[in-house]
Amino acid sequence: QLQLQESGPGLVKPSETLSLTCTVSGGSITTVDYYWGWIRQPPGKGLEWIGTVYYSGSTYYNPSLKSRVTISLDSSNNHFSLKLSSVNAADTAVYYCARELRRSFGMDVWGQGTTVTISS
Amino acid sequence: QSALAQPASLSGSPGQSITISCTGTSSDVGGYDYVSWYQQHPGKAPKLMISEVTNRPSGVSNRFSGSKSGNTASLTISGLRAEDEADYYCNSYTSSSTRVFGGGTKLTVL
Repeated sequence: QLQLQESGPGLVKPSETLSLTCTVSGGSITTVDYYWGWIRQPPGKGLEWIGTVYYSGSTYYNPSLKSRVTISLDSSNNHFSLKLSSVNAADTAVYYCARELRRSFGMDVWGQGTTVTISS
Repeated sequence: QSALAQPASLSGSPGQSITISCTGTSSDVGGYDYVSWYQQHPGKAPKLMISEVTNRPSGVSNRFSGSKSGNTASLTISGLRAEDEADYYCNSYTSSSTRVFGGGTKLTVL
């Protein structure tokens, strides 16, 4: 059974770069059938789509975050990563990684989420 | 891109049916049959309930159904149960090849 697990620092200083990794187990990320994405949820607020990467390396980003976001695949380690630069308090959130079905864009497998706090 | 519009909250009694709306534009909800719905219980990751407007993944109760008319998609839950109390989010593919979530609806089972 496919599982996703987010990892990375729980505390990041303002103006620095937030870096998270999503490790995929039970399946390969180099498959034509799926996209791999990041979604976040600020405390007490709704879900926000951050961006998605395809096995080919193609990426798609939320326009409001595009200038600060990089999502990449590491096929040798079967994981994908999120980098968000120049963070501020508004980037404090639970960050989720998810698998997205290529044929439907439904996000059918999610990680448990990791809390990232932006504070000095 | 703007978040899709959902009612902030809804409530219903056990056994009743409720419908959650999700309104977008012709560039997202109205332009593609790629609307999905997610259920999220407090402190948990979201769960896919409906994809491609009407499709239920294996294991999702048939009490959950989806539909779409124009720029508005809907999620209907019939025979409400206490365990349906959760937050619900819609999501759509867009003409820019991005995805956009709705603001979320808090469902209370009275």
